[in-house]
Amino acid sequence: DTGVSQDPRHKITKRGQNVTFRCDPISEHNRLYWYRQTLGQGPEFLTYFQNEAQLEKSRLLSDRFSAERPKGSFSTLEIQRTEQGDSAMYLCASSYPGRHGNTIYFGEGSWLTVV
Amino acid sequence: RKEVEQDPGPFNVPEGATVAFNCTYSNSASQSFFWYRQDCRKEPKLLMSVYSSGNEDGRFTAQLNRASQYISLLIRDSKLSDSATYLCVSHGGSQGNLIFGKGTKLSVKP
Repeated sequence: DTGVSQDPRHKITKRGQNVTFRCDPISEHNRLYWYRQTLGQGPEFLTYFQNEAQLEKSRLLSDRFSAERPKGSFSTLEIQRTEQGDSAMYLCASSYPGRHGNTIYFGEGSWLTVV
Repeated sequence: RKEVEQDPGPFNVPEGATVAFNCTYSNSASQSFFWYRQDCRKEPKLLMSVYSSGNEDGRFTAQLNRASQYISLLIRDSKLSDSATYLCVSHGGSQGNLIFGKGTKLSVKP
């Protein structure tokens, strides 16, 4: 499978615990994005990387959230001291901007439920 | 004002109908636009890019009106399998990220 892969696909955690999600982008893609989606809403941008550099972070990305892409390949998104409001689907996407635009491709998402 | 706005629907149409969705965007610096399709509890998937000259892909036609800052999607001869949420997306300016609308839900009935 050469698509974007995310792990774990589902996570149930108790409030206050830390969780980490991993994303493996399409291999030749240099951009990697994290989005969050709740029921009835479109995906909301969290952050993106170009290679290993984190170029943009949304104000939605509070201090409890941190994302890394240390070698410019896979990325991790960590949420510390989870709250019930963090329950959502966390989507990773990747792209390779070029003269044909910047089409991004999503992984299947990681569902987080905070109880 | 939201950067990308869509009518959430739902649009309930019979098979074979033609249905149109509109979307408005607020950032005049946006350069690229897309329609994504999302099935329930699945990830968004690219349906088509939207070009200034308009573009067509089978039963789907997308149009961009930069002067009015809106994007449209027309679906002809609706199929049951077209039932999904359609997300309008803008990209550009100084931002690297894509901005999504909340989506328009389409339900095609037999």
